[in-house]
Amino acid sequence: KAGVTQTPRYLIKTRGQQVTLSCSPISGHRSVSWYQQTPGQGLQFLFEYFSETQRNKGNFPGRFSGRQFSNSRSEMNVSTLELGDSALYLCASSLQGPYNEQFFGPGTRLTVL
Amino acid sequence: EDQVTQSPEALRLQEGESSSLNCSYTVSGLRGLFWYRQDPGKGPEFLFTLYSAGEEKEKERLKATLTKKESFLHITAPKPEDSATYLCAVQSTGANSKLTFGKGITLSVRP
Repeated sequence: KAGVTQTPRYLIKTRGQQVTLSCSPISGHRSVSWYQQTPGQGLQFLFEYFSETQRNKGNFPGRFSGRQFSNSRSEMNVSTLELGDSALYLCASSLQGPYNEQFFGPGTRLTVL
Repeated sequence: EDQVTQSPEALRLQEGESSSLNCSYTVSGLRGLFWYRQDPGKGPEFLFTLYSAGEEKEKERLKATLTKKESFLHITAPKPEDSATYLCAVQSTGANSKLTFGKGITLSVRP
């Protein structure tokens, strides 16, 4: 069965711009979680969506937002980009939530100049 | 606040040289401890979930164990294909608790 897909794989933006990342979960998975991965901070939880509702949110500023559609596909938006937002953004899907086995996508590498 | 510390940061082994990776954690109450493997340029891949002290799980050359304060990932007779970054994460029992990841251990196995 198809895995988690993320688009685009690479993005280069400049400070102040906004960006939207997309994630398509494994068919049948209703939970989608987003993570930011950087060399300094490691993997940090951004938020989780389940059946179009945000169930949990990490400690990130309001510039980071997301949504989930009825087909479980999810998008993440970052507004007013800062240099420190450069990171690998990972999406993970699971049947019930991140406390079960999660399947990660390959990530979107965002570079902010 | 939940905390996860993994050690060492990096480990180089000779093929066949067994070793252990450590994950120390601090949580108010443990709901689950997770091990993931991440290869360069890829997302993490799930390995194990452990729920209570004394629990052990095995998969090929890997064996994960759990105590009340730490977890170990034992690698027996590693092969070069075991080279990867190994991530540990915990989830506490508190309401709306989140997954907290450690920074990972980069394992390199030389042939």
